[in-house]
Amino acid sequence: GESVGLHLPTLSVQEGDNSIINCAYSNSASDYFIWYKQESGKGPQFIIDIRSNMDKRQGQRVTVLLNKTVKHLSLQIAATQPGDSAVYFCAETRGFQKLVFGTGTRLLVSP
Amino acid sequence: SAVISQKPSRDICQRGTSLTIQCQVDSQVTMMFWYRQQPGQSLTLIATANQGSEATYESGFVIDKFPISRPNLTFSTLTVSNMSPEDSSIYLCSVEGQSGTEAFFGQGTRLTVV
Repeated sequence: GESVGLHLPTLSVQEGDNSIINCAYSNSASDYFIWYKQESGKGPQFIIDIRSNMDKRQGQRVTVLLNKTVKHLSLQIAATQPGDSAVYFCAETRGFQKLVFGTGTRLLVSP
Repeated sequence: SAVISQKPSRDICQRGTSLTIQCQVDSQVTMMFWYRQQPGQSLTLIATANQGSEATYESGFVIDKFPISRPNLTFSTLTVSNMSPEDSSIYLCSVEGQSGTEAFFGQGTRLTVV
């Protein structure tokens, strides 16, 4: 069946380091891939998305890479800060009919 | 971006009872979505609610258990019926962004069934 999953359930980094969160997907028909950040007690917050016809997209301190050959998506966070500590979800969508979420990675940033 | 308010933010309910969760958006939106997030897990879509039509349910979710209303373009409700402890989850309302490629979420309703 179709699925979107993550390789690492927990990632611990030191403040100032760069973080890389990975995601594997199985459905090559997706139009967009989206990264969300969810802090405790809050709903998911949109971080960045990427179209399926792109390989890389950059935002403020974040970069998303898409490798369609191996169906892999990653989120890179530069100069990670304690405020980046949260659970990060990747999600895929096809024509925005619905979002299929990955299992989530908890990012822990130590000062 | 859209501002989404959910009520209640949390509740503790007795098994066998029902709870209705409200979702209010500060702008008119075509599509509204209801998700469930079980403890420590990811989000699973329950149903899509469009104004003026019946909600479309995902596999594993049925209208009798999760009836949804969508009376207008800014409001929706999700009812969790005949609750059991297995229904203990966070329930989230979501709306489509103007770009059509992102979703905005409410803060969620944390439900505990005892």
